[in-house]
Amino acid sequence: QVQLQESGPGLVKPSQTLSLTCTVSGGSISSGGYYWSWIRQKPGKGLEWIGYIHYSGATYYNPSLESRLTISVDTSKNQFSLKLSSVTAADTALYYCARDGGIAASADYWGQGTLVTVSS
Amino acid sequence: EIVLTQSPATLSLSPGERATLSCRASQSVSSYLAWYQQKRGQAPRLLMYGASNRATGIPARFSGSGSGTDFTLTISSLEPEDFAVYYCQQRSDWPLTFGGGTKVEIK
Repeated sequence: QVQLQESGPGLVKPSQTLSLTCTVSGGSISSGGYYWSWIRQKPGKGLEWIGYIHYSGATYYNPSLESRLTISVDTSKNQFSLKLSSVTAADTALYYCARDGGIAASADYWGQGTLVTVSS
Repeated sequence: EIVLTQSPATLSLSPGERATLSCRASQSVSSYLAWYQQKRGQAPRLLMYGASNRATGIPARFSGSGSGTDFTLTISSLEPEDFAVYYCQQRSDWPLTFGGGTKVEIK
């Protein structure tokens, strides 16, 4: 069974860079046609797709975040990462990583989520 | 981007009743629609993909239908564990987008 676990600082100062890592276990990040996603949920709100990456390095980003966003993959560690620069309080959210089958499929395995608060 | 509108925002029902949740897309997404269930304090869980296909381990009381712009998630007889928030997500075009959610609460 595939499992995903997010990790990273729970508190980030405004204007700094939010950095999170998702560690995948129970399967190889390099296997199959899967994409590895980041989704966030602001407090009391709905879900927002941030973007995803294929192990080959191909990325798809939400245009609303693209100018500040980098998603990368480290196949040797079976991990993928999110970097969001120039954060503000509006980036405070629960950040989830997930395995995704690609554009016509679905996100079938999710991490538990990690809360990131942007505050000085 | 494709906007998904879910209705109603809240559905108040009793266990054993039938729940009908709607998701409408601002343009056709063919059958590229998924449904997720999120319980309080938990990550979303995949329920349906391709509009009408149940994900692994999802009970048969959950069913999905629709294509194009109008979709429905039906729970034939609500169990206590089904009271949660449900989100649709279009899988037709980037950026992938979610609806605003429908909360199914105990009446």
